[in-house]
Amino acid sequence: DQQVKQNSPSLSVQEGRISILNCDYTNSMFDYFLWYKKYPAEGPTFLISISSIKDKNEDGRFTVFLNKSAKHLSLHIVPSQPGDSAVYFCAAQGGSEKLVFGKGTKLTVNP
Amino acid sequence: DTGVSQNPRHKITKRGQNVTFRCDPISEHNRLYWYRQTLGQGPEFLTYFQNEAQLEKSRLLSDRFSAERPKGSFSTLEIQRTEQGDSAMYLCASSLGAGLAITGELFFGEGSRLTVL
Repeated sequence: DQQVKQNSPSLSVQEGRISILNCDYTNSMFDYFLWYKKYPAEGPTFLISISSIKDKNEDGRFTVFLNKSAKHLSLHIVPSQPGDSAVYFCAAQGGSEKLVFGKGTKLTVNP
Repeated sequence: DTGVSQNPRHKITKRGQNVTFRCDPISEHNRLYWYRQTLGQGPEFLTYFQNEAQLEKSRLLSDRFSAERPKGSFSTLEIQRTEQGDSAMYLCASSLGAGLAITGELFFGEGSRLTVL
């Protein structure tokens, strides 16, 4: 069963606009959440994370929001740039060193 | 380049053959992870080492799979009697941590792609 779900396989936005990528999880044991970005032919690279004791974490153009009651998190990218075009993976951790990843959302930022 | 290094980058083999992948983590990192990624899926956890000790294994790691990290530095992942279902990208990652702490950032290598014919 998919414990981490990214229901949008793809997202297309215009340069300069906001990109919002969504992620839902089912396991209440998860207490740490991360976003990774992946370019073709490269391994995933860490983008931003959030602990379950927070509801928001910001790093430059990237902000992650966590809604524990809804078991939902989102990644906001403002403003979006063409270089942000990549596959974004949501990942969760709780109770072990294992990260559980979603299937990813392919973001395309059009110039 | 001081990142995570994986070799070979691509391996094509016939069903039933054995294959071995190598991962060289970032030198000061004590934790090393193996993940597998198939088309359209996110990375799936296989196993994790802290130094030379293998501390966690996924149910995905069948008896045909074995991972080692003999000196707490590089690691190998061997797949015996390969099957077509083993075709995937095998990703290695490393991190620096202590205890059962929050993993935080994992540094991934570029992966080793296995194609079983």
